[in-house]
Amino acid sequence: AQSVTQLGSHVSVSEGALVLLRCNYSSSVPPYLFWYVQYPNQGLQLLLKYTSAATLVKGINGFEAEFKKSETSFHLTKPSAHMSDAAEYFCAVSVNSGGYQKVTFGIGTKLQVIP
Amino acid sequence: GAGVSQSPSNKVTEKGKDVELRCDPISGHTALYWYRQSLGQGLEFLIYFQGNSAPDKSGLPSDRFSAERTGGSVSTLTIQRTQQEDSAVYLCASSLRQGASFSYNEQFFGPGTRLTVL
Repeated sequence: AQSVTQLGSHVSVSEGALVLLRCNYSSSVPPYLFWYVQYPNQGLQLLLKYTSAATLVKGINGFEAEFKKSETSFHLTKPSAHMSDAAEYFCAVSVNSGGYQKVTFGIGTKLQVIP
Repeated sequence: GAGVSQSPSNKVTEKGKDVELRCDPISGHTALYWYRQSLGQGLEFLIYFQGNSAPDKSGLPSDRFSAERTGGSVSTLTIQRTQQEDSAVYLCASSLRQGASFSYNEQFFGPGTRLTVL
């Protein structure tokens, strides 16, 4: 069975500072990995995904994540935080289960951006 | 085009009452998923539909929860005899057909239904 651990349920950064949201996964087979963002009162939106191509994945809004198999990590980064980045971020892992891709989500990390 | 829609957006009910939550997936998406989002719990998988059948309903927490999908489109999640612990945001997502091969189709999420059981 696969699982995802997000370290830090709340992260605060200053506007313009580096954003680093941590995600570690566990999977017995090669996974697909994702980061989703959820703005208040909205559904989840896909930020980026790793599907076994390039290990450094670039997503929308300047975010990127690096797949590190040796560390079983898929941390999300952005060089410079913007106020509009304040949201909740979910890491997710997907593996083939009975003929379909079953997605398991982490508990989420709320990002606060301080002016 | 239109995204995934869910109704109602908010539902307040009394303990013991039944509720129905509706999901309209993106047109042409044959796969549909229900998740529950509770405070501090992340997203909890409930059930997956491919067409009108549910190959994976392993996440339904009890027999008070059921879901159906008709015409390969609209899905309804029903919670009978609601309890306070059922209070959560219920999210629906849809995607193109999930193939048997190792491939992934992005899930598109609706805005959710916030259920409050008093």
